[in-house]
Amino acid sequence: KNQVEQSPQSLIILEGKNCTLQCNYTVSPFSNLRWYKQDTGRGPVSLTIMTFSENTKSNGRYTATLDADTKQSSLHITASQLSDSASYICVVSPYGGATNKLIFGTGTLLAVQP
Amino acid sequence: GAVVSQHPSWVICKSGTSVKIECRSLDFQATTMFWYRQFPKQSLMLMATSNEGSKATYEQGVEKDKFLINHASLTLSTLTVTSAHPEDSSFYICSASRAHGSYEQYFGPGTRLTVT
Repeated sequence: KNQVEQSPQSLIILEGKNCTLQCNYTVSPFSNLRWYKQDTGRGPVSLTIMTFSENTKSNGRYTATLDADTKQSSLHITASQLSDSASYICVVSPYGGATNKLIFGTGTLLAVQP
Repeated sequence: GAVVSQHPSWVICKSGTSVKIECRSLDFQATTMFWYRQFPKQSLMLMATSNEGSKATYEQGVEKDKFLINHASLTLSTLTVTSAHPEDSSFYICSASRAHGSYEQYFGPGTRLTVT
C-alpha cells in the first residue's frame, strides 16, 4: 500500500533555532517528492520538489534531502522565524499516474515561539 | 505565475441547501483540476479529478451526485455541494495542473464550508 509517514507529529522550537522534519514513504514506483507548507486555514504552498535522481534541493532557509534507496526525505529549516509556524506536508507522486494523483503525509505541525 | 484562486473563502449555509465553490487558475490554463477535502488536523483527501470538457473522476466513497464538479473551461472548475449536511462542513481545496504529466499542482487558498 502506498503510504507517506511523517515525524514528528508536532514540534515546538524557539525562534532562531534549526529543525529537521522527517518523511518516510512506501510509494513505488516513485516519480517525485514534494514538501509543502500549509498555514492554518490556507492552501498548501510548494517549498521543494525533487525527482528520484535528486539528493537535495534548497529554497531559501528550507533544504530538502531525498534518499530514494531508503525511501526517506527530510526538510531542514534554518534560523527559524515566527512565520515558519505552520503544518509541513510531505507529498509523493507515484510514477506513471496519468492523473497526477498525489499521496499526502499527515503533516508535521511546527510552532515557532519567541 | 501559477496562481489559483477560490471563491468564496468561507461560506455558511443551512442544512439542505446547495453551495457552489469556484476554483480559477488566474495566469495559466489548467488542463486538470483537483478537488480535495481536509478535516481538522487531517491531511488533504482527494475527492475528484476533473479534466476540461469531460466528466470528473471521483475517488472511492465520494458521492458524485452530492458533489457536482464542472470544468467547463481551462481556467474554471466549480464544486457544488448539494443538499448540504453538517457532516459536509470541511475545508475544501482545489488545485490545478498546467498539463497532463506535469509535476506541479498549484493549490488554491481553500474554502471553509460550515453547514448549520
